[in-house]
Amino acid sequence: EIVLTQSPGTLSLSPGERATLSCRASRSVTSAYLAWYQQKPGQAPRLLIYDASSRATGIPDRFSGSGSGTDFTLTISRLEPEDFAVYYCQHHSQSPEYPFGQGTKLEI
Amino acid sequence: EVQLVESGGGSIQPGGSMRLSCAASGFIFRNHWMHWVRQAPGKGLVWISRINSDGSIVNNEDSVEGRFTISRDNAKNTLSLQMSSLRAEDTAVYYCVLEIRGRGNFDYWGQGILVTVSS
Repeated sequence: EIVLTQSPGTLSLSPGERATLSCRASRSVTSAYLAWYQQKPGQAPRLLIYDASSRATGIPDRFSGSGSGTDFTLTISRLEPEDFAVYYCQHHSQSPEYPFGQGTKLEI
Repeated sequence: EVQLVESGGGSIQPGGSMRLSCAASGFIFRNHWMHWVRQAPGKGLVWISRINSDGSIVNNEDSVEGRFTISRDNAKNTLSLQMSSLRAEDTAVYYCVLEIRGRGNFDYWGQGILVTVSS
């Protein structure tokens, strides 16, 4: 069973700053099945990044994903007020398993 | 526009049963895997069940195996989750989710529906 650990738990930044969120897998995983989601209070999650680095439809280019093996990163280049939310990474394996990380809260 | 609209939630006593439904539109429902993902109050996301495009393959997360049954009606563009032997720890918002890319990602989500299991 793959466990995804996100860090930090909470990230406090200001609009205009750069955010770097980490997702570490308990063992090497296929990048093709690593995704990131954004969830705002009272809303459903929204897919941001799939295949570790591809932006989903309609996602601004200030969001980018990178990484391979066990270490993955979501970067928000210049924070906008609407970016303050909780972010989750997620992987899919063939078991089937769809583990999520515990989330990183990005706050002002 | 993809739309996923859940219904059927509410409050129920431990040991009871409940059926959730998800009405899908804006895409070719019969072509895609569908999932249920839940989120307990103040907690993270947990995948619980999936079904393939024609309903011949279903898989459940261990904590709901034998209690929850996922199904679909491709003629009515509807996904369902039959939940039985409900426990307090099943209290959560349940999301109907579309996997459109076929790569194990959750591309579109319904708005979610709350299920509260309490005496």
